[in-house]
Amino acid sequence: GAGVSQSPSNKVTEKGKDVELRCDPISGHTALYWYRQSLGQGLEFLIYFQGNSAPDKSGLPSDRFSAERTGGSVSTLTIQRTQQEDSAVYLCASSLSSRYTGELFFGEGSRLTVL
Amino acid sequence: GQQLNQSPQSMFIQEGEDVSMNCTSSSIFNTWLWYKQDPGEGPVLLIALYKAGELTSNGRLTAQFGITRKDSFLNISASIPSDVGIYFCAGQPTYSGAGSYQLTFGKGTKLSVIP
Repeated sequence: GAGVSQSPSNKVTEKGKDVELRCDPISGHTALYWYRQSLGQGLEFLIYFQGNSAPDKSGLPSDRFSAERTGGSVSTLTIQRTQQEDSAVYLCASSLSSRYTGELFFGEGSRLTVL
Repeated sequence: GQQLNQSPQSMFIQEGEDVSMNCTSSSIFNTWLWYKQDPGEGPVLLIALYKAGELTSNGRLTAQFGITRKDSFLNISASIPSDVGIYFCAGQPTYSGAGSYQLTFGKGTKLSVIP
């Protein structure tokens, strides 16, 4: 498709289980971001991938969170041993690697609910 | 870290009225952006500002990059029902270098339009 695609759109899981969230960025976009949006809050930066460079993981809230990007395209965000405070919408975005890196294109998000 | 103070948190207006919202920061930003998020969707870029003092319009939307580089406002003229949504400001600290891609988002202004 033409836009950023995320799956699943909704995920309900039990506390302690692992979850994987997938992001398929816009073709040709070399930069990929994960943000977290909690209810009534702004967007919290999690991780950034740029081409073949080492990712910036400085926003990951704990070592239960990890992400990878295979072949410079699809990315997976993994949350291990989920906790109730992990419940949020996880947004993926991509952008062209250019001077104007603030122009992000977001997917519709994956809504995670941890019971 | 850097924080953006966005106000108001929410607004209820009559259709046809003009709307104004703003963002302030204690830190300098070199790029200001305004995004809109519809329910169940990811944020969509409305306007990007790259120079202090810059005033940019996009249809009924007008945004300005404050001369101090610490604030920005967004105006919507003659509001219509489809303007409903959450508006986020975002700032980017530098054009290039470490951390430049980490957009800092405000907590959003929720706009409701009464027909």
